[in-house]
Amino acid sequence: GQNIDQPTEMTATEGAIVQINCTYQTSGFNGLFWYQQHAGEAPTFLSYNVLDGLEEKGRFSSFLSRSKGYSYLLLKELQMKDSASYLCAVRGSTSGTYKYIFGTGTRLKVLA
Amino acid sequence: DTGVSQDPRHKITKRGQNVTFRCDPISEHNRLYWYRQTLGQGPEFLTYFQNEAQLEKSRLLSDRFSAERPKGSFSTLEIQRTEQGDSAMYLCASSVTGGLSGANVLTFGAGSRLTVL
Repeated sequence: GQNIDQPTEMTATEGAIVQINCTYQTSGFNGLFWYQQHAGEAPTFLSYNVLDGLEEKGRFSSFLSRSKGYSYLLLKELQMKDSASYLCAVRGSTSGTYKYIFGTGTRLKVLA
Repeated sequence: DTGVSQDPRHKITKRGQNVTFRCDPISEHNRLYWYRQTLGQGPEFLTYFQNEAQLEKSRLLSDRFSAERPKGSFSTLEIQRTEQGDSAMYLCASSVTGGLSGANVLTFGAGSRLTVL
């Protein structure tokens, strides 16, 4: 089966660094994605890892370890606008079909 | 291209009525996905199409739900005999296959919010 775990809620201070962890179990792993979702809005793409290691994109970085079924999203120099839900999603492939399974999301509150 | 469009954005209906949602994906995207999201949860997979072929449908989806993508472009999701438990945000997303940068990334529409009274 497929399972994704991430913390429900985190709080951090403006200007700080926060790390959001995600562990997963899936068959036919074909990539891990992070999305940001503000309340009442659609998810927007942040980053993608398919190989082990770190991907950096400005203030956001994402890390993947396929052997451990583990990823994290690192947000630096936090801003108030980063208050949102962060969704970890795994793309799995079975019999040639590709499905994206999402975690329940981590609600991040950035405090002044 | 303005991204993924969904219509209607909001739908209020009475229990037992049928509703239909439409999704227009990004034009060059060959894959189209439907998800359902309730408050405080992540998007839950419903079904997906590659071109006009429906390749997978969630086992959680009852027979009251049906989706089509007749010409491999827009898609419709119909819910028959709605129940209060169907109240949710219905999200459509599309992606393109291939090795180019940006491939396989889901782009979501703004969603269609359903309220069943």
